Amino acid sequence: KAGVTQTPRYLIKTRGQQVTLSCSPISGHRSVSWYQQTPGQGLQFLFEYFSETQRNKGNFPGRFSGRQFSNSRSEMNVSTLELGDSALYLCASSLTTGPGANVLTFGAGSRLTVL
Amino acid sequence: AQTVTQSQPEMSVQEAETVTLSCTYDTSESDYYLFWYKQPPSRQMILVIRQEAYKQQNATENRFSVNFQKAAKSFSLKISDSQLGDAAMYFCAYRGGAQKLVFGQGTRLTINP
Repeated sequence: KAGVTQTPRYLIKTRGQQVTLSCSPISGHRSVSWYQQTPGQGLQFLFEYFSETQRNKGNFPGRFSGRQFSNSRSEMNVSTLELGDSALYLCASSLTTGPGANVLTFGAGSRLTVL
Repeated sequence: AQTVTQSQPEMSVQEAETVTLSCTYDTSESDYYLFWYKQPPSRQMILVIRQEAYKQQNATENRFSVNFQKAAKSFSLKISDSQLGDAAMYFCAYRGGAQKLVFGQGTRLTINP
């Protein structure tokens, strides 16, 4: 069973550009969450999608957005990139959402460097 | 808001020895879940162990076990018979009604051969 696949693994952008990251969840998983990991702020929740609907959103500016497609694949977009957006972006999938011990399975991440 | 604190930025242990990583959390919720994740240099976050708050029995997964003290809001991870492959960043995480994971700052574990 394939795991969570994130593409691209590495990318370099310049300030002001925009970037789109992709996440393919484990087959059958319908919930996808995104996290940002930086040395200074640690791991922070960005948003969660379930059945193409955003269910939860973290404390990030509107430049950060996402969406989920009917096949549960998800994309996140960051517009007008800033140096502080340099981070490892982790995607995680789970069978469903809602209360319960739903286990999140993480992808290997996309390392974004903003110059 | 819920917070998770890992007070040990770095820990080291001799191979085959036992090590305990500390984690405390703050919440007003009564129903929640706690997790320990491992992040090796490959960066992929791997679930080590999980604990449901309503269960009094401490979770165990092979060499990994937790000491869950609900009243003290403490959730430590014990690794027995440490192996070189256990070297990684370890993150304690909380998930309550908001469903998102709240992570601690992490503990870097080094295994000395």
